Amino acid sequence: GQQLNQSPQSMFIQEGEDVSMNCTSSSIFNTWLWYKQDPGEGPVLLIALYKAGELTSNGRLTAQFGITRKDSFLNISASIPSDVGIYFCAGMNYGGSQGNLIFGKGTKLSVKP
Amino acid sequence: NAGVTQTPKFRILKIGQSMTLQCAQDMNHNYMYWYRQDPGMGLKLIYYSVGAGITDKGEVPNGYNVSRSTTEDFPLRLELAAPSQTSVYFCASSYSGGSFEQYFGPGTRLTVT
Repeated sequence: GQQLNQSPQSMFIQEGEDVSMNCTSSSIFNTWLWYKQDPGEGPVLLIALYKAGELTSNGRLTAQFGITRKDSFLNISASIPSDVGIYFCAGMNYGGSQGNLIFGKGTKLSVKP
Repeated sequence: NAGVTQTPKFRILKIGQSMTLQCAQDMNHNYMYWYRQDPGMGLKLIYYSVGAGITDKGEVPNGYNVSRSTTEDFPLRLELAAPSQTSVYFCASSYSGGSFEQYFGPGTRLTVT
């Protein structure tokens, strides 16, 4: 089946630093979503991308839908302690049904004050 | 709006017992989903529903059953609990009008011993 490779698996950064993480796929996706999960909570949607090349921001977060439609990245600028959590990418191919949202394994972010 | 709600938050089951995980949404979303999340992994789709009375299998449906009698509710049934079903279960919903953005509940942590 389709697989998403998300990297890095974990990051330890200093408060104020910028963060970059990415997701790659062996097949084409038509939609990329980025979620954040806090401990003991469900994932919360951060950014949705629907067009190849699209660059979208949400506050300090910026995400891009790769031109090849096989990758996406998420950047966090000037990290703060509340950015701690696990970030998941998820992709979907319109050829599938609404259920076919494929998730990466997540990037665990730790921020040192 | 409460969004997506799940009960219970935690549950311990003995092998062979049955239980129903409850999920409700008040956003009038047609699409609803059940995922499981194992440690260090992304989310795997168990079952989904595109509307009342319509359900379909996801990637890992074995050992589970679902029903969808109303737009609001989407319960997940475990008939004969097994240790392999120890996991965190998340319910999600999305609007059917071409948006693939899924909104998640807080999760149910299930342990089978």
